[in-house]
Amino acid sequence: QKEVEQNSGPLSVPEGAIASLNCTYSDRGSQSFFWYRQYSGKSPELIMSIYSNGDKEDGRFTAQLNKASQYVSLLIRDSQPSDSATYLCAVRATPGYSSASKIIFGSGTRLSIRP
Amino acid sequence: DAGITQSPRYKITETGRQVTLMCHQTWSHSYMFWYRQDLGHGLRLIYYSAAADITDKGEVPDGYVVSRSKTENFPLTLESATRSQTSVYFCASSESGDSTDTQYFGPGTRLTVL
Repeated sequence: QKEVEQNSGPLSVPEGAIASLNCTYSDRGSQSFFWYRQYSGKSPELIMSIYSNGDKEDGRFTAQLNKASQYVSLLIRDSQPSDSATYLCAVRATPGYSSASKIIFGSGTRLSIRP
Repeated sequence: DAGITQSPRYKITETGRQVTLMCHQTWSHSYMFWYRQDLGHGLRLIYYSAAADITDKGEVPDGYVVSRSKTENFPLTLESATRSQTSVYFCASSESGDSTDTQYFGPGTRLTVL
């Protein structure tokens, strides 16, 4: 079982609709959760981080975390063509020197916003 | 104010040759990381460093060597390149190892081993 799992997609969403991206993780003690956006040929860039259960909103983006279900999601409202990218879910392992700061990435979900 | 840079951006080499990928950050971040990204595998950690002269293995360290004599530099060396090491390599840095800390990525190096 992969430590961080995402549906690879592609996920096709019409412009203006809500895009919903999902991620599950296996380490129940994980504390920090991140969503990165990666455009083709570019490096990942952080768009959201969440550390406690519930929702966290930032502009058109909402991250949702449910630690009991080991599930984190990203909602993108009013999807725009510029949102077309691969979205990487990342989970920070439980702390301890040997694993400190190591982030485990999912393989990403490719999102396509169609006009 | 360049942040984090990598060089070269593109490299073609032959099997068996030694290759060094450079990573430089201007933020004085304590932590630095090397990842490789391959289709279907996402980002996989090769090595990381918590400070100068402190390095540790990640998920896929075999065939790679790192050093960190200065805080700002974290070179990755492929001692004898193999075709399976054809990949896109990303360097990243973060200020600390705290659980809320963010990693910032360099632009990547696309390496092809023939």
